[in-house]
Amino acid sequence: AQTVTQSQPEMSVQEAETVTLSCTYDTSENNYYLFWYKQPPSRQMILVIRQEAYKQQNATENRFSVNFQKAAKSFSLKISDSQLGDTAMYFCAFMNLGAQKLVFGQGTRLTINP
Amino acid sequence: EPEVTQTPSHQVTQMGQEVILRCVPISNHLYFYWYRQILGQKVEFLVSFYNNEISEKSEIFDDQFSVERPDGSNFTLKIRSTKLEDSAMYFCASSRDRGFYEQYFGPGTRLTVT
Repeated sequence: AQTVTQSQPEMSVQEAETVTLSCTYDTSENNYYLFWYKQPPSRQMILVIRQEAYKQQNATENRFSVNFQKAAKSFSLKISDSQLGDTAMYFCAFMNLGAQKLVFGQGTRLTINP
Repeated sequence: EPEVTQTPSHQVTQMGQEVILRCVPISNHLYFYWYRQILGQKVEFLVSFYNNEISEKSEIFDDQFSVERPDGSNFTLKIRSTKLEDSAMYFCASSRDRGFYEQYFGPGTRLTVT
C-alpha cells in the first residue's frame, strides 16, 4: 500500500520569506499523481499544485512550485514570497494512475508571521 | 465559484444510533467521495461513487457504512450503528472526472459519538 510522509508537523516563517515543505512517499508504481492541498483555518481544503509522475518538469503555479525527485520519491513544495494568507495546513497526497482515492500525509501546519 | 457544501457542520449522536451526513457536490461533477479524519490522524479515503454505484472503497468502509445519491443534487453517507471510534471529521468531495482532475472538498461534518 502506498504511504505518504510529511516529516514537519509545524513550520513558521516571516512574511515574504521562502519556505519549503517536505513530502516523501512510498510506491512500487511507475506512473501516479502527486498533489499538494491547502486547508486554511476553518475553511475547505483546496488544491495548490499537482504533478504527473511521468513528467520530469517540476510543476509551478505562481508563487508555488514543487521539487519532484522521482528516484528519491520526494515531492516538496516551495512557497516563494510567502503571504499571511498562506497560513494553513498543507497536505501532500498521492494517487495511483487509474485510481480515485487520494492517500494523504499527516499534514504540515504552516504559519506566516507578519 | 461553485463549492461543495455539507450539512450539518457538527453532529452529536449516541453510540448505536444511525446518522446521515449530507453533501451537495458541484453540479456538473460526476465523481463523489467521502473521506474522514480522526482527530490527530491522517485524512483517510472511505469511498468513491460514480454512475450511481460505488466505484472504489477502502477497508474502513464496511457494512456499517452506505452511500446514496437520492436525487440529482445530494450525496449522503449513512452510518447504521455508530461506534465511539466513528468520531471524526467527515469530508465530502467531488470531481469532474477521476485521476488527475481536482477533487473539490467540502468544509466537513464533525461527528461526535458519545
